[in-house]
Parts: sequence; C-alpha cells; structure tokens
Amino acid sequence: AQSVAQPEDQVNVAEGNPLTVKCTYSVSGNPYLFWYVQYPNRGLQFLLKYITGDNLVKGSYGFEAEFNKSQTSFHLKKPSALVSDSALYFCAVRDIGRSARQLTFGSGTQLTVLP
Amino acid sequence: GAVVSQHPSRVICKSGTSVKIECRSLDFQATTMFWYRQFPKKSLMLMATSNEGSKATYEQGVEKDKFLINHASLTLSTLTVTSAHPEDSSFYICSARDQTGARNEQFFGPGTRLTVL
Repeated sequence: AQSVAQPEDQVNVAEGNPLTVKCTYSVSGNPYLFWYVQYPNRGLQFLLKYITGDNLVKGSYGFEAEFNKSQTSFHLKKPSALVSDSALYFCAVRDIGRSARQLTFGSGTQLTVLP
Repeated sequence: GAVVSQHPSRVICKSGTSVKIECRSLDFQATTMFWYRQFPKKSLMLMATSNEGSKATYEQGVEKDKFLINHASLTLSTLTVTSAHPEDSSFYICSARDQTGARNEQFFGPGTRLTVL
C-alpha cells in the first residue's frame, strides 16, 4: 500500500520569510513523489517531482523539495515566500514498481503568506 | 506541458436529473484517465480509473451505477452523475496519464463544480 501524510493542515508565514510544507510518504518500493498546488475553484497545477537522481528537486515558481529516503520525507520549500503563494498544496506519491497505480494524495496543507 | 480540459467548468442542476462531465486530453493520447472528487478544503478522493475501450475500475464505496464512466476514445472520458442529489454536489477533477515514451505523467483538468439543488 502507498500513503502520504501532510501533518499540517495550515501553515502561516510572513512574506519574504522562508516556507516549508511537510510531507512524509510510505510505499513498498521506490517512490515517485510530486507536489501540486491548487488555487480556489481550480484544478491542480504541477509544481515539481522526484523520480531518481539529485535529492534536491527544483520546480516552478521558485519552489524546491528535498527527497530524504531515510526519513521518507519530501518537504516543499521556498527561500522567500510571496503573498501570491497562498494556496492549497498537495503532496502525492506513486510506487515506481507499480506503474499502473494511481497517485495517492496527502490531505493538503493550506499555505497563507501574510503581507 | 500537456493540457487537459474539462467541460463544463460549472453546472447547476435540479435534483433527479443527470449531468455529464467531459474530460479531454488536448495534445496527447491518454489510455488511462482518472476521476477524482474533492470536498471543500479536503484532499482528492479517487473515484475511478477510466481505461480506453474497457470498463472503468471503481474505488471501494463508489457506486458504478451512480457515476457512469465512458472512455470512448484516447482523448475523451466522460463522467455522468445519474439522478443527482444534493449530496453529489462537489468539485470533480479529471486527470489523464500521458504514457508517451518515458513520460508517464499525470495531468489534471481544471475541475467541474457541480451544484445539485
């Protein structure tokens, strides 16, 4: 079975400060890991993914995430938050060894960047 | 990047009527599409996996006679909510998998807001 945990329902950060949105995962094999962002009444927008290679992945809009196999984590980070980053963020996982499986999503973290 | 469209983006209907939502992959062929349901401020719940040319695979607890899925071509899947009731009101999101070469990525539509009166 595969699962994703986002332990924080809500993260608040001041504009210009660094932000972190946490994600841990569980898969039986090796993971594909993804971060998506959702703005109100919109679909999901892809931010970044990890498949293999460098543990630090850089994505859209200045976001990055670090894959940590020992801690089974894939936290999303940005050095300097913008008010426009305020949105709902989802972490997702898929087991590499089971290509037909769908993505499993975390419960989402609402990020609010305060001006 | 690949584009997935959904139509309509918003629909309001009376209780007891049926509503069809279309999901199209615009610039790639998708043998597999997924339908998700999202409640306010909640995560995406996978309803079913739609396979081109065959029956959809429904997740546990999802009524296949209530939520009819047809994947008639490599670029189109439809979700029909039959005899809709207010509790079916939700945000429905489709996703299409692009398995071209080594890509094997999932792309999401913009969602359809269904309100059943």
